[in-house]
Amino acid sequence: EPEVTQTPSHQVTQMGQEVILRCVPISNHLYFYWYRQILGQKVEFLVSFYNNEISEKSEIFDDQFSVERPDGSNFTLKIRSTKLEDSAMYFCASSEGWPYGYTFGSGTRLTVV
Amino acid sequence: GIQVEQSPPDLILQEGANSTLRCNFSDSVNNLQWFHQNPWGQLINLFYIPSGTKQNGRLSATTVATERYSLLYISSSQTTDSGVYFCAVTTQGGSEKLVFGKGTKLTVNP
Repeated sequence: EPEVTQTPSHQVTQMGQEVILRCVPISNHLYFYWYRQILGQKVEFLVSFYNNEISEKSEIFDDQFSVERPDGSNFTLKIRSTKLEDSAMYFCASSEGWPYGYTFGSGTRLTVV
Repeated sequence: GIQVEQSPPDLILQEGANSTLRCNFSDSVNNLQWFHQNPWGQLINLFYIPSGTKQNGRLSATTVATERYSLLYISSSQTTDSGVYFCAVTTQGGSEKLVFGKGTKLTVNP
């Protein structure tokens, strides 16, 4: 079964540093997403991306965050000037669009120290 | 926005027992999915079920869209079923984002 691949699985970074989280969505999917889950809390939507542009973003997704699809396969989330509260599990997901469901990657656990 | 309420918040079972998890949502939905988050944090898709009934092995799910709820049934539970079960929906009206409930934490004891 096709998978969404995320790298790295774990990342530890110093506060104030920039991190890039990488995702390879399923090849025939058109919609791409990032979600975040702070430890012990529910999964929260960050941003959706379609046709090479952001289609929707949440209040969490401020100027500290950016997304990019640098080539035909990768989808990245950049977090600038990381803060302690950015520590979370970050999930990438992709979809063919309605009426199909979403497939999530295994997540990147980001720890900001 | 849409509210997604899951119950119970916590559930402890003995291996072999059956259970029913519930998801209520406050508005019409285009998409409803059930996920299992395992102890390593991975989100495993169980069912895509905006309406109707589906079965996959010991798991089955039913969504009654007109009454705005979905049920996940786990039969003959095993210790590997432990984890958090999330219900997530997208609303009708154009938004593609999945809205998650807070989950049901299931512990299956041997």
